[in-house]
Amino acid sequence: DIQMTQSPSTLSAFVGDRVTITCRASQTISTWLAWYQQKPGKAPKLLLYKASTLESGVPSRFSGSGSGTEFTLTISSLQPDDFATYYCQQYNSDGGTFGQGTKVEIK
Amino acid sequence: EVHLVESGGGLVPPGGSLRLSCAASGFTFSSFAMTWVRQSPGKGLEWVSTITSSGGLTYYADSVKGRFTISRDNPKTTLYLQMNSLRAEDTALYYCAKATLVGARVRFDTWGQGTLVTVSS
Repeated sequence: DIQMTQSPSTLSAFVGDRVTITCRASQTISTWLAWYQQKPGKAPKLLLYKASTLESGVPSRFSGSGSGTEFTLTISSLQPDDFATYYCQQYNSDGGTFGQGTKVEIK
Repeated sequence: EVHLVESGGGLVPPGGSLRLSCAASGFTFSSFAMTWVRQSPGKGLEWVSTITSSGGLTYYADSVKGRFTISRDNPKTTLYLQMNSLRAEDTALYYCAKATLVGARVRFDTWGQGTLVTVSS
C-alpha cells in the first residue's frame, strides 16, 4: 500500500499569511494527487486534483504543485474561512489512500 | 447542485449486518462512478469501495473484501453498501461520494454528510 505523510500535523497562522502544507508518498504516484478541505462536522470538500488542477468554484488563492513523491498545497493569503483540516489523497492505486491531515489554526 | 444523502447507519453488534443507502440528486447519476469512504478517529479517512457508472465493475479495500457489497440502482439514483460480519474496527462515519474514475484511478468530487455506523455489543 502507498502511505501518505503530511507535514506539519498542525499549523498556526494569521489571516493574510502564506501557508504551505507538504504531502509525501511512499512511492511514486506521478501527479495522481488530490487535496481536500474538511471543517468540523462537515464532509471533506475537493479543492484540487491531478496535483495542481483547481476544482470548479475553489478560490484561486489555493494552489498545488509537485509530482512523483513530493507535493505541496499553498494558500497564498489565508482567509478566515480557510481554518480547517486539509488532507491529501493519492489515487494512483489501491482505491486511494489519505494523509493523516493538517489542521490549520488561527494564531 | 449535487446532493447526496446517506442513511441506514446505527448501532449493531459484532458479526451483525447493516445496509447503507445514499440518495443522489442534482446530476446524471447513471453517468458517474460512486464510492464509499469512511472516517474514524483512529484510522482517519479510508476508501472502502467504488462502483462504476453501470454497476459492471466494483472495487473494494482489502479490509472489507468478502464482507461488504457495493451496488447501485440507477433508475432510483441510489447507491448501497451491504455490510456483513461487522467488526468493531468498522465503526466509523460512512460517506458516499460522487467519483471521477480515470481508468482504475478514482477521486472523490462531492461528498454526502455521512451516516454513523457503530459496531459494539
